[in-house]
Amino acid sequence: DVKVTQSSRYLVKRTGEKVFLECVQDMDHENMFWYRQDPGLGLRLIYFSYDVKMKEKGDIPEGYSVSREKKERFSLILESASTNQTSMYLCASSRHNSGANVLTFGAGSRLTVL
Amino acid sequence: GESVGLHLPTLSVQEGDNSIINCAYSNSASDYFIWYKQESGKGPQFIIDIRSNMDKRQGQRVTVLLNKTVKHLSLQIAATQPGDSAVYFCAENPNTGNQFYFGTGTSLTVIP
Repeated sequence: DVKVTQSSRYLVKRTGEKVFLECVQDMDHENMFWYRQDPGLGLRLIYFSYDVKMKEKGDIPEGYSVSREKKERFSLILESASTNQTSMYLCASSRHNSGANVLTFGAGSRLTVL
Repeated sequence: GESVGLHLPTLSVQEGDNSIINCAYSNSASDYFIWYKQESGKGPQFIIDIRSNMDKRQGQRVTVLLNKTVKHLSLQIAATQPGDSAVYFCAENPNTGNQFYFGTGTSLTVIP
């Protein structure tokens, strides 16, 4: 069963801490994405990557960075966590330039920043 | 970002009835649309998709209708079951790459 795996389902961090959210996909997908999901706001794109060592800013990149050292792994980094980064974080992947580039999502990582 | 919105944030239906979830999109250049279902504690899961060269597509118990004239998308679920209770999102691809823009979601509750 192909899937996207987010290693941490629930995290609690303190303001100012550095946070790593890891995402791994086993579908050999070129594209990977990080979204955050907040009530009433839907899914908003933070960063995405079309290839190894490549990254592009999404709609809300401020306060975040990403790393894509291997094709299957896409990490989201909060350099100094703040309370307004408390959210559900969703990783997704897709094939590049395919006829139907459906996003496959992980189960999500719920982050609470105190 | 793109504006993709849903007309109703919540919807309650009786088990066995048909459900209709609506979505408005703003970018007339969007050429690909997907409906996702998100159950509590899980990530969104693909339900059905449709390209802009079609106005209707059917799956198992689900139908997506696309009206490009008024930029409207709907998801119809036939004979709604308790397992259909979830949040449903529409997503549009504005043909500028591999990005999707998502609506805020509609919460569907099925009453047994």
